[in-house]
Amino acid sequence: ILNVEQSPQSLHVQEGDSTNFTCSFPSSNFYALHWYRWETAKSPEALFVMTLNGDEKKKGRISATLNTKEGYSYLYIKGSQPEDSATYLCARNTGNQFYFGTGTSLTVIP
Amino acid sequence: NAGVTQTPKFQVLKTGQSMTLQCAQDMNHEYMSWYRQDPGMGLRLIHYSVGAGITDQGEVPNGYNVSRSTTEDFPLRLLSAAPSQTSVYFCASSYQTGTVFGYTFGSGTRLTVV
Repeated sequence: ILNVEQSPQSLHVQEGDSTNFTCSFPSSNFYALHWYRWETAKSPEALFVMTLNGDEKKKGRISATLNTKEGYSYLYIKGSQPEDSATYLCARNTGNQFYFGTGTSLTVIP
Repeated sequence: NAGVTQTPKFQVLKTGQSMTLQCAQDMNHEYMSWYRQDPGMGLRLIHYSVGAGITDQGEVPNGYNVSRSTTEDFPLRLLSAAPSQTSVYFCASSYQTGTVFGYTFGSGTRLTVV
């Protein structure tokens, strides 16, 4: 089993605050790192796929960075809004298998 | 396009009963997989398939069978349900196998075994 770890497990922030959380993974045999956004009662929705060390991706107020040498990725949310409240999952794939972290649950308080 | 369709959305089974969770995708994706989601455990891979006629085990395959007779369908079978199989099940498909691909998830099946 190739462990993917996410921290913190949960996070409460005020509307307008910026926040970030971490995904850590084994750096060996790396193919790609994925971020998903998972709202309650819905299915996970893909945010980013990153493959190269130093990759940075951005989608609106959300961005992510990747360090494959040290085995971590950061997800940043700038100016959090209540609609950003969700669980953010990262996953590492090695060939044909995905390994998911347990997620960071974000609550944005209006 | 419907994407990935899972049925049923909810199911209650008695211990020892069998059932099949259905998953269908209309995107001509090669890769399909089943996950279960349990509190504090994240998503864990049960079985996956890289194409019609090809299946393989994931992290937690015990108690589950799969088959892939067509590109579109990837049913998950519980032959003799146990309370430990109470979980939320997600089917996912991907446009690509190999090194890099992204998933489209179904809406989930909430299964309770009593």
